[in-house]
Amino acid sequence: GAGVSQSPRYKVAKRGQDVALRCDPISGHVSLFWYQQALGQGPEFLTYFQNEAQLDKSGLPSDRFFAERPEGSVSTLKIQRTQQEDSAVYLCASSSLDSLYGYTFGSGTRLTVV
Amino acid sequence: DQQVKQNSPSLSVQEGRISILNCDYTNSMFDYFLWYKKYPAEGPTFLISISSIKDKNEDGRFTVFLNKSAKHLSLHIVPSQPGDSAVYFCAASGKKSSGDKLTFGTGTRLAVRP
Repeated sequence: GAGVSQSPRYKVAKRGQDVALRCDPISGHVSLFWYQQALGQGPEFLTYFQNEAQLDKSGLPSDRFFAERPEGSVSTLKIQRTQQEDSAVYLCASSSLDSLYGYTFGSGTRLTVV
Repeated sequence: DQQVKQNSPSLSVQEGRISILNCDYTNSMFDYFLWYKKYPAEGPTFLISISSIKDKNEDGRFTVFLNKSAKHLSLHIVPSQPGDSAVYFCAASGKKSSGDKLTFGTGTRLAVRP
């Protein structure tokens, strides 16, 4: 596709519910990133994939967060047993490996945990 | 510990005048800096970048200045236009490629008055 596509755009989850957020990167982009943006803050790094390999998951806040990219294209960020502090916009970004122009971000998924 | 700081949460400028957005960083390992622009309900979009080997990079109305000794960078927009009204994020990376996580500031909301 022309850009990075994320779904759903909005998700309301009850506390304790599991959620799955999807990211379709730009076709052919090797690198894929997930960021979390809390209200009034800048995006914070969660995890990085190069093709299907998860090379960095140092930003995942707890073991309730899990990300995968099994075929090196679409990625899913899963949050188990959601808590109120998980409420944020989750941004996905992709880029070619040697891009000097930063990533292309999707529009994000706004997760609200009630 | 906020490694990238944008101390001005908001800025208001008259159309046609210069907008100057500032950013400070603390990590001396950062060697690549980027500015992103974000409209409501959209993901951040790449605006301009600068490598640590340079002190200035210009692209049309946008110029980024880097002062490594002061660990400070700034984005100049001249002339400012109403369509420039958005939140601007400063970001930093440890290497000049896309395969590294970005550390973002908290953003500055720019309002350009007609």
